[in-house]
Amino acid sequence: AQSVSQHNHHVILSEAASLELGCNYSYGGTVNLFWYVQYPGQHLQLLLKYFSGDPLVKGIKGFEAEFIKSKFSFNLRKPSVQWSDTAEYFCAVKTANAGGTSYGKLTFGQGTILTVHP
Amino acid sequence: DAGITQSPRHKVTETGTPVTLRCHQTENHRYMYWYRQDPGHGLRLIHYSYGVKDTDKGEVSDGYSVSRSKTEDFLLTLESATSSQTSVYFCAIRGTSGNQPQHFGDGTRLSIL
Repeated sequence: AQSVSQHNHHVILSEAASLELGCNYSYGGTVNLFWYVQYPGQHLQLLLKYFSGDPLVKGIKGFEAEFIKSKFSFNLRKPSVQWSDTAEYFCAVKTANAGGTSYGKLTFGQGTILTVHP
Repeated sequence: DAGITQSPRHKVTETGTPVTLRCHQTENHRYMYWYRQDPGHGLRLIHYSYGVKDTDKGEVSDGYSVSRSKTEDFLLTLESATSSQTSVYFCAIRGTSGNQPQHFGDGTRLSIL
């Protein structure tokens, strides 16, 4: 079965620090990858997505992620975080049934809580 | 924001009672999903639908059933709620064309005492 692993459970940074959140997946086929953000008390919002092409993907709010196929990784980065980036971040991979159909189902990582101190 | 409405937003009920959560969409999307969110587990797929009356099980489907009698509504039912089903439940939708992400509703916080 496919799985997604986010190694950092809780990351604490000061404003202006650089951010990198790790995400590794286990899936041997073609992957579609996503990062979602959940601000306190809110629903998940899409930060960025990778389907094909340039492995460096830019998203909203200054976030970017790099798909490294050889490492099965899709790490999220931001050069300078703000207090408003305090949230929980989820990595997800689009999975497929044994017959190859996907129906767009996602497998999520456990989530990383980011706390940014002013 | 995607037109997704979950109801109720909060519910407290007792063990053994039936509970139905509703997800309503105004986007006419084909795919709909139910997830539960628990600390340390991220989101886990309960059931999903790929069309009217077409549903299938996800990763954590035991104790849950779903129905989709029309495109816009996807119902999640706990036939006999247990305390282990206390969670936040999210509905998501996705269109058919191209490389589309899922869009999520605001969630239902369900407490089973």
